Amino acid sequence: GEDVEQSLFLSVREGDSSVINCTYTDSSSTYLYWYKQEPGAGLQLLTYIFSNMDMKQDQRLTVLLNKKDKHLSLRIADTQTGDSAIYFCAERPLSGGYNKLIFGAGTRLAVHP
Amino acid sequence: DVKVTQSSRYLVKRTGEKVFLECVQDMDHENMFWYRQDPGLGLRLIYFSYDVKMKEKGDIPEGYSVSREKKERFSLILESASTNQTSMYLCASSAQGGAEAFFGQGTRLTVV
Repeated sequence: GEDVEQSLFLSVREGDSSVINCTYTDSSSTYLYWYKQEPGAGLQLLTYIFSNMDMKQDQRLTVLLNKKDKHLSLRIADTQTGDSAIYFCAERPLSGGYNKLIFGAGTRLAVHP
Repeated sequence: DVKVTQSSRYLVKRTGEKVFLECVQDMDHENMFWYRQDPGLGLRLIYFSYDVKMKEKGDIPEGYSVSREKKERFSLILESASTNQTSMYLCASSAQGGAEAFFGQGTRLTVV
């Protein structure tokens, strides 16, 4: 079946790197996503990676995909207090058809001075 | 900029009321989705639509229905609201074949 798992909480010091991990079960997934949700807000698409890629970098964000282990990670360099939010990992299975996404429970990132 | 707009940020309704949550997108997207978000459970898909008047059940459709009479608008209907439908509701849209899904700001519904 389709399932996405991620740890629920991560705490980092301002200026350090954050690494948020995610595992998924559907090997047919075409795209994998990271969304950010700030308090009281909707979801903001941070970045996504196509399943035939291993890595994608976008400014402070680095996404790593290990397709063999079905493991996705998001690294945030030089983490700032404004990065405090919930981060959702999502997969788009091939069987989804209409861009249906399967989400993890979300990782709450807390950045402290 | 893609915009997905949900009609209300906060709603308080009584048990048994019929509730309408509205969502409008301005990018001519074919696909629209309704999710609910609960702590520790992430987002769960209620219903989605891939064209006008077309709808498909998601993972948790019970107690909900939807309507898509126009391409830009997708409505979620709670026929008889219950307290276990207290949640954050998120609407999203995407283009057919497109990689990205865009979300609205969410509606926090409380049923008392």
